[in-house]
Amino acid sequence: DGGITQSPKYLFRKEGQNVTLSCEQNLNHDAMYWYRQDPGQGLRLIYYSQIVNDFQKGDIAEGYSVSREKKESFPLTVTSAQKNPTAFYLCATKRAGMYQPQHFGDGTRLSIL
Amino acid sequence: EDQVTQSPEALRLQEGESSSLNCSYTVSGLRGLFWYRQDPGKGPEFLFTLYSAGEEKEKERLKATLTKKESFLHITAPKPEDSATYLCAVQEGRDNRLHNAGNMLTFGGGTRLMVKP
Repeated sequence: DGGITQSPKYLFRKEGQNVTLSCEQNLNHDAMYWYRQDPGQGLRLIYYSQIVNDFQKGDIAEGYSVSREKKESFPLTVTSAQKNPTAFYLCATKRAGMYQPQHFGDGTRLSIL
Repeated sequence: EDQVTQSPEALRLQEGESSSLNCSYTVSGLRGLFWYRQDPGKGPEFLFTLYSAGEEKEKERLKATLTKKESFLHITAPKPEDSATYLCAVQEGRDNRLHNAGNMLTFGGGTRLMVKP
């Protein structure tokens, strides 16, 4: 079954804890992206990666970290430095080529305990 | 600074009542405008890409159009299953040779569409 898999669907974080959100794809897409979505707001870019072992900060990277060790995987860690982590997190992938659309997984909802 | 504004924020329609959603943008160089549909608790689903002013794309009851300053998503005779949040996003023309930053998208806040039977 092809596509983008985000896990877990729901995640709870305790104070001072780091948590990692998983994003796996079997579409063979080169680029991967992490967005944050808050109620009533548009998607905001956290990090993106165009190729393996390279990634760039987006507009709201503070308090987050990523890695891209494999083409298929782009995990996002929400660190304790992120003081307002409650949000819906979306992972997207994109085929090479400027006019190709981004395709999204079904998200992870993160809440603070 | 690139901006994307969608209006209205919410729209209630009766089944069969046609209407339009607006996406206005200010970017330094448009390299594509994308429309997505998002259902509650799900990720956005890609609908259309528009590349240049005057272009139109259609899919079932949806038709997207593009001018130099805005895009419209026209919904003809909507059904309750068309209820969702519709997002538009623009791809800027910035060119970064090191990281190909021209692939980044700027999203609008979305229009929440509710179609009642």
